[in-house]
Amino acid sequence: DAGVIQSPRHEVTEMGQEVTLRCKPISGHNSLFWYRQTMMRGLELLIYFNNNVPIDDSGMPEDRFSAKMPNASFSTLKIQPSEPRDSAVYFCASSLGGGYTEAFFGQGTRLTVV
Amino acid sequence: AQKITQTQPGMFVQEKEAVTLDCTYDTSDPSYGLFWYKQPSSGEMIFLIYQGSYDQQNATEGRYSLNFQKARKSANLVISASQLGDSAMYFCAMREGGSNYKLTFGKGTLLTVNP
Repeated sequence: DAGVIQSPRHEVTEMGQEVTLRCKPISGHNSLFWYRQTMMRGLELLIYFNNNVPIDDSGMPEDRFSAKMPNASFSTLKIQPSEPRDSAVYFCASSLGGGYTEAFFGQGTRLTVV
Repeated sequence: AQKITQTQPGMFVQEKEAVTLDCTYDTSDPSYGLFWYKQPSSGEMIFLIYQGSYDQQNATEGRYSLNFQKARKSANLVISASQLGDSAMYFCAMREGGSNYKLTFGKGTLLTVNP
């Protein structure tokens, strides 16, 4: 299996622009997570989907952030408008089932907002 | 409140020695899963080991073992015979059924293996 695939790997954008991060989970996995990693705050869970349905979005920082999972093989995380403080590494992870199985991570997207 | 606490921001160990990375957790859910991940400087997150709350024995995976003390709510990672390639950030994480199985992480411990 190809693993969790995220695109782009790196993104540099100007403040105020819309940014869309993409994730393809491992085939057959029905749980998907979006995380943000910064030096200051560590790994923060932004949103968690199970069977394409958002289960917990309490970690989404504000209305500028939105996430969708239109089908089992694709998810997006959108930031509109972007701000410099959004600069971070964004990870997508997927797991088989909604129980206690391990999650497998993509390579991450390094976002820089200037 | 912090669900996962890793009190060691950084640890040093000599090559070939064993090292223990601490993790304590907080949950009132009787059913949960505990995980350790490794993040080398290249940035990827690598799953290492899993322990279920009802597992009677400590989990082991090669040179990794998990010292699970349920009453103390601790799940320490033990790496035996450290190698230079073990230098990385290590994260402890938990999934609780009561939280819809979302996966939450501690702040991590940076392990440096010295030659």
